[in-house]
Amino acid sequence: QSVLTQPPSASGTPGQRVTISCSGSSSNIGANSVYWYQQLPETAPKLLIYVNDQRPSGVPDRFSGSKSGTSASLAISGLQSEDEADYYCSAWDDSLNGYVFGAGTEVTVL
Amino acid sequence: EVQLVESGGGLVQPGGSLRLSCAASGLTFSRYRMHWVRQAPGKGLVWVSRIKSDGSSTSYADSVKGRFTISRDNAKNTLYLQMSSLRAEDTAAYFCAREMATSYALDIWGRGTMVTVSS
Repeated sequence: QSVLTQPPSASGTPGQRVTISCSGSSSNIGANSVYWYQQLPETAPKLLIYVNDQRPSGVPDRFSGSKSGTSASLAISGLQSEDEADYYCSAWDDSLNGYVFGAGTEVTVL
Repeated sequence: EVQLVESGGGLVQPGGSLRLSCAASGLTFSRYRMHWVRQAPGKGLVWVSRIKSDGSSTSYADSVKGRFTISRDNAKNTLYLQMSSLRAEDTAAYFCAREMATSYALDIWGRGTMVTVSS
């Protein structure tokens, strides 16, 4: 049972907008920044969004993040076939004194 | 090129021990906090442990506390994870990752090393 709650799957057709939610609590998302990672099949995770809504260099602006209270979301606009991957939200948890991840959301491009 | 390369994985019997290494190159290793994250086959990411840049402070997930020890040798640019009393549920790919200097984001990841605990 993950500390952060994400939907197990999401899907869309090419060009559509897909949104992934991430729900936490006052000790993690409510108190700290949210990070999003993309994991393509058989590869290591890649940082996609940091400090709620910041994109590392090289990440397309089709990816955007937001946070409100104890929840966060990742949006993928203009969905492309190469976006098929697992997406994980994460945050530092002050109560656990550790990093927590969501269970991951598998995005499928129809 | 900034790179993290894990090694030391393999097959180990329940109750056994294993030490993982993560060799860093292309970065000033001693400046960064480092993490271990694991992923069981077909499952999601699970944070394991974190160590401060100078090794003075560590933290662990409850599931490994008392059994795993994270450490580092800044002179060798290497991160370690000593694992003991291994259980079947420790079977996973283990990734090392660098924590960004200005946030908790894990911005550089290794490719992982597989640990299988089985008799």
